[in-house]
Amino acid sequence: QKEVEQDPGPLSVPEGAIVSLNCTYSNSAFQYFMWYRQYSRKGPELLMYTYSSGNKEDGRFTAQVDKSSKYISLFIRDSQPSDSATYLCAANAGGTSYGKLTFGQGTILTVHP
Amino acid sequence: NAGVTQTPKFQVLKTGQSMTLQCAQDMNHNSMYWYRQDPGMGLRLIYYSASEGTTDKGEVPNGYNVSRLNKREFSLRLESAAPSQTSVYFCASSEEAGVSPLHFGNGTRLTVT
Repeated sequence: QKEVEQDPGPLSVPEGAIVSLNCTYSNSAFQYFMWYRQYSRKGPELLMYTYSSGNKEDGRFTAQVDKSSKYISLFIRDSQPSDSATYLCAANAGGTSYGKLTFGQGTILTVHP
Repeated sequence: NAGVTQTPKFQVLKTGQSMTLQCAQDMNHNSMYWYRQDPGMGLRLIYYSASEGTTDKGEVPNGYNVSRLNKREFSLRLESAAPSQTSVYFCASSEEAGVSPLHFGNGTRLTVT
């Protein structure tokens, strides 16, 4: 079993829809949680970065972490065609695990006009 | 401000050939990483350098070597390329290992025939 599981999709939604992307994880030591967006033939780009449980909002994006159920979510409001990309969740235990981010497989999202 | 720069962008090697992938960051980050990305496998850590002068193995180090040349530069060497090393390679950096998010370059697409 992978430490971070993510439904690869693909997910296709109409412009303006609310998108929900989800990951589960198994390592209870994970404390830092990230969402990256990756456009085709580009490197992953950091979208959201959260520590421990709770919500974080940045514009149209909201990240949620529920450590009790080991569940990570990213919500995109008023989705736009420019949001079409692969979204990767990632987690890290911090401390001596250094940069050993564990990534989900990525969800391919298409927002059509 | 270029961020993380990787060279070359594309490379084709024959089995048994060697090559070095170059990475440089201009963000004065302490930590640097090499990942590979394969379909269905997500991003996997090959090697990382928590600070200048140190390097450590990640999840999939076999067949690779690294050099942290200075604070800015971190290279990845394939001594004898194998078809299994066909992948997209990403270099990343972070301010501090373990607590800071990673910033990625745009990748090197390597094909080994």
